[in-house]
Formats: sequence, C-alpha cells, structure tokens
Amino acid sequence: AQRVTQPEKLLSVFKGAPVELKCNYSYSGSPELFWYVQYSRQRLQLLLRHISRESIKGFTADLNKGETSFHLKKPFAQEEDSAMYYCALEDNTDKLIFGTGTRLQVFP
Amino acid sequence: NAGVTQTPKFRILKIGQSMTLQCAQDMNHNYMYWYRQDPGMGLKLIYYSVGAGITDKGEVPNGYNVSRSTTEDFPLRLELAAPSQTSVYFCASEHTGGARNEQFFGPGTRLTVL
Repeated sequence: AQRVTQPEKLLSVFKGAPVELKCNYSYSGSPELFWYVQYSRQRLQLLLRHISRESIKGFTADLNKGETSFHLKKPFAQEEDSAMYYCALEDNTDKLIFGTGTRLQVFP
Repeated sequence: NAGVTQTPKFRILKIGQSMTLQCAQDMNHNYMYWYRQDPGMGLKLIYYSVGAGITDKGEVPNGYNVSRSTTEDFPLRLELAAPSQTSVYFCASEHTGGARNEQFFGPGTRLTVL
C-alpha cells in the first residue's frame, strides 16, 4: 500500500535549535516526494520537492530509499518557521498522498 | 491573478440539506482537485479533474459529486449532507506537463453538518 507517515503531531523547539521533521513512506518504485507548508492564516503551499534537490528558506530534505524516509531539516530554526508541515508522495496514478502533518512550534 | 478561490469560507448545514462548494482558478491550469481534511488527519482526495469535461473519483468520493464544464471552475456538490461530511474542504489546481508541478491551494471552506 502507498502511504505517508509523519510520526510527530507536534514538534517544539527554541529559536536557533536544529529541526528535523520526520516523514516515512511506503511505495514500490521510484518515489516523488514533496513537503508542503501551511503558515498561520495562509494557504497550503509547496515548500520543496526532492527531485529539485533545492533548499528553500534554509530547509532541505534528502530522500533515503534504504530507510524510505524524506525528513525535512533545518540547522537553525526561526520563529517564522512555525507552521504545519505536510509530507506528500506522488502515487502511481500521479496523485498526491498526504501525511497527517506535523505542527512545528519555534519558541523565542 | 487571484489564484484559486473558494466560496463560501464557512457554512453550517442541517442533515439532509444540499449545497455546492465553489472553486475557481484563473491560472489556466488543467488539473483540479477537491480534498477534505478532518481534524488530525491528512488531506484526502475526493474528486479530481484533468481537464474540462473530465472528472474522476479520488479516495473518498461517496456523498459528493463534481462537474468541470470549464477550465476555470470545479464545483463540489453535496446532495444529502451528513455529519460525517463535517470537515474543511480544499480545492487545488495544477498545471501538469512533463515533470510534476506544484499544486496551488485555495483558502478552504469549513463545513459543519448538524
């Protein structure tokens, strides 16, 4: 079965601390994975996609096929990073499967 | 560009009532989607459309209907509202061609069925 798991509902850190939001997936084949973010009172939007190998707002995510993971990382969290983060997998019919989301709280 | 717009923002329905959630996009995107998000859950796909005149079921289509008469509009219809349809509904659009592109989301409609 194709599935995305985000084990943490809430992750709280202090400003300047490293952040890692976990995402594990179940998929047979070469996965395409994404991170979407929803800031308070804003729309859900794409943060980054693994195929681009990009760093957005200091966030990076590396696909680890051995561990079937796509964790989102940032070395130094900022208060403005506080948001809901969703990991998503493109399934074999080109539709997105979303995880349940992790709320990141960054305290000053 | 307004992007993806949804109306209404909020609605309370009684059991058995019907309503249409409106979604429009002005980006000339061919793909459009309807999702629902229940508390503590991820987004579940209800219906999607790959272009005008073409719609298909997603993961949770029961109790809903859609139409896509134009590229811009993708309304979602609830015929007999049930408490289980209490949720936040998101519409999204995407321009696909070649490599996968990003989905653009509307602000959502919060629906309560009492």
